[in-house]
Amino acid sequence: EVQLVESGGGLVQPGRSMKLSCAASGFTFSNYGMAWVRQAPTKGLEWVATISYDGSSTYYRDSVKGRFTISRDNAKSTLYLQMNSLRSEDTATYYCTREGRRVFDYWGQGVMVTVSS
Amino acid sequence: DIQMTQSPSFLSASVGDRVTINCKASQNINRYLNWYQQKLGEAPKLLIYNANSLQTGIPSRFSGSGSGTDFTLTISSLQPEDVATYFCLQHNSWPRTFGGGTKLELK
Repeated sequence: EVQLVESGGGLVQPGRSMKLSCAASGFTFSNYGMAWVRQAPTKGLEWVATISYDGSSTYYRDSVKGRFTISRDNAKSTLYLQMNSLRSEDTATYYCTREGRRVFDYWGQGVMVTVSS
Repeated sequence: DIQMTQSPSFLSASVGDRVTINCKASQNINRYLNWYQQKLGEAPKLLIYNANSLQTGIPSRFSGSGSGTDFTLTISSLQPEDVATYFCLQHNSWPRTFGGGTKLELK
């Protein structure tokens, strides 16, 4: 069974940093691209970043370029999102999702990030 | 960026009704369109990928159609457990973009 479990969220002040993790199991992690998708409270879904299966390629939405870094450790089957210079508009539930051929076919339960002073 | 316009934003229907939700892309996305269901407090679930392929384990009352810029999700006979918000996603190009969502409720 595919499982994605996010961790690392919480309350953070504007301008500070936070790192999210996503532990994957139930599939060969190193064979799949992975992504982060977020959802602000009562809002729709917004793609944040994607990393290729081997980490050689990364893609970001414009609003997080230069502030967020997606990375992975295939030996640990873990995906990361380093978020720097956080803003109030980054407040959202962050979902880890698998980006294989079917694109975003499995999702974690999500982790809440609140940026507030 | 490709804009995805979903309609309607809100839909009220009865058990057994045929329900259709539409998604229009601002430019050609071929068949690179997925549909997701999100129940309250839960993560999204993939229903349909590449416009018309049913994800494993999803009931056959769900179907998808369309190509190019216009796409439709159809629920052939609405069930109580289908109450949820539905989103479309284009994965033809970067950035990936979602539709605004359709909230489906029981009448």
